[in-house]
Amino acid sequence: SQQGEEDPQALSIQEGENATMNCSYKTSINNLQWYRQNSGRGLVHLILIRSNEREKHSGRLRVTLDTSKKSSSLLITASRAADTASYFCATVVHDMRFGAGTRLTVKP
Amino acid sequence: DTGVSQNPRHKITKRGQNVTFRCDPISEHNRLYWYRQTLGQGPEFLTYFQNEAQLEKSRLLSDRFSAERPKGSFSTLEIQRTEQGDSAMYLCASSSRGASSYGYTFGSGTRLTVV
Repeated sequence: SQQGEEDPQALSIQEGENATMNCSYKTSINNLQWYRQNSGRGLVHLILIRSNEREKHSGRLRVTLDTSKKSSSLLITASRAADTASYFCATVVHDMRFGAGTRLTVKP
Repeated sequence: DTGVSQNPRHKITKRGQNVTFRCDPISEHNRLYWYRQTLGQGPEFLTYFQNEAQLEKSRLLSDRFSAERPKGSFSTLEIQRTEQGDSAMYLCASSSRGASSYGYTFGSGTRLTVV
């Protein structure tokens, strides 16, 4: 069964704009991870945020975690056409469970 | 070793046939995971190995599905008497630690089409 739910399901923006994706989940977690998937390919690990962390940065990525609201957000700044992909949050208790993803389209 | 390798990339089979997929993880990773992904959905957990031991199986893994990791290296996932509902992408991932410490490295997947 899937744990997280991403919002929105689809997002279309212009190159250079910021993209924000949200993830909500139901149970207490050890950590939350974000992955990216290009069409028809495997998933690529982007960032891991632990349950005792509130914010984490990696390059143009910024992830926040609010355990009281059981939610996380992924911000991609200064988006590029190459960022077009599906983005999944994955919650970790004993193993990893994924949400349905946000399909991001960045128009050149 | 360039990552997690899955073979074949694509498989088309007739309903009722058996299929087997192979996953070669990153060599120093002792943990191996199988997921299934249908169109427009996120990956769903199927099963998990630590070395050669299968430690967890999802209820999605019916008795037609079996996974092995005989020597703690590569793994196989077999589906017997395939059904059209088995059509999906089957993803393998590996890690050197549990998900509480580390992200997973995924292969490119095997896309199964049951006709």
